[in-house]
Amino acid sequence: GENVEQHPSTLSVQEGDSAVIKCTYSDSASNYFPWYKQELGKGPQLIIDIRSNVGEKKDQRIAVTLNKTAKHFSLHITETQPEDSAVYFCAAGGNEKLTFGTGTRLTIIP
Amino acid sequence: GAVVSQHPSRVICKSGTSVKIECRSLDFQATTMFWYRQFPKQSLMLMATSNEGSKATYEQGVEKDKFLINHASLTLSTLTVTSAHPEDSSFYICSAPPNRGYGYTFGSGTRLTVV
Repeated sequence: GENVEQHPSTLSVQEGDSAVIKCTYSDSASNYFPWYKQELGKGPQLIIDIRSNVGEKKDQRIAVTLNKTAKHFSLHITETQPEDSAVYFCAAGGNEKLTFGTGTRLTIIP
Repeated sequence: GAVVSQHPSRVICKSGTSVKIECRSLDFQATTMFWYRQFPKQSLMLMATSNEGSKATYEQGVEKDKFLINHASLTLSTLTVTSAHPEDSSFYICSAPPNRGYGYTFGSGTRLTVV
């Protein structure tokens, strides 16, 4: 089955700086790669996703890049703000099911 | 957009009792629902997949008789934790697969505490 690794497990950045979180996956059949933000006691919230036919996608301060050959994808958050502090999960899969990474606790330092 | 409503958000039960968690797709029909469990500071682990009109598919290591999953209709899936024990205390989350161009839709989660 699919195996997703995520790094780093914790990340602290100064407000205004950029944050990068990286994930690798194992199953070449995976074609959908979403990123979720999870706040304490709540379900995951989709922040951006990318499909395997695209190499990069951007939505305002958030971008995701995908390297299918290397089987890795990354989340980039620019101009970080205090409200970006949360746990972020990557995931990989398709229409069948998703496999989640282990999560990154992002802390934005004011 | 697609919305999945999950209830209850929090439940405390005594050891040995059963607890039912419901997930409803509000504005679309979901023939499949994924059920995840998340322990504190850990990732979401898929427990099982419910299928409307057929038996649920359980992931390896998940006890079928303990975690009863029923997909009663195209808009309702339930997870019943039977004979709950303190080690079953966790955050349970349901998710519907991509629909009408939207990605996976997650419920808001249920915090189960077994005392």
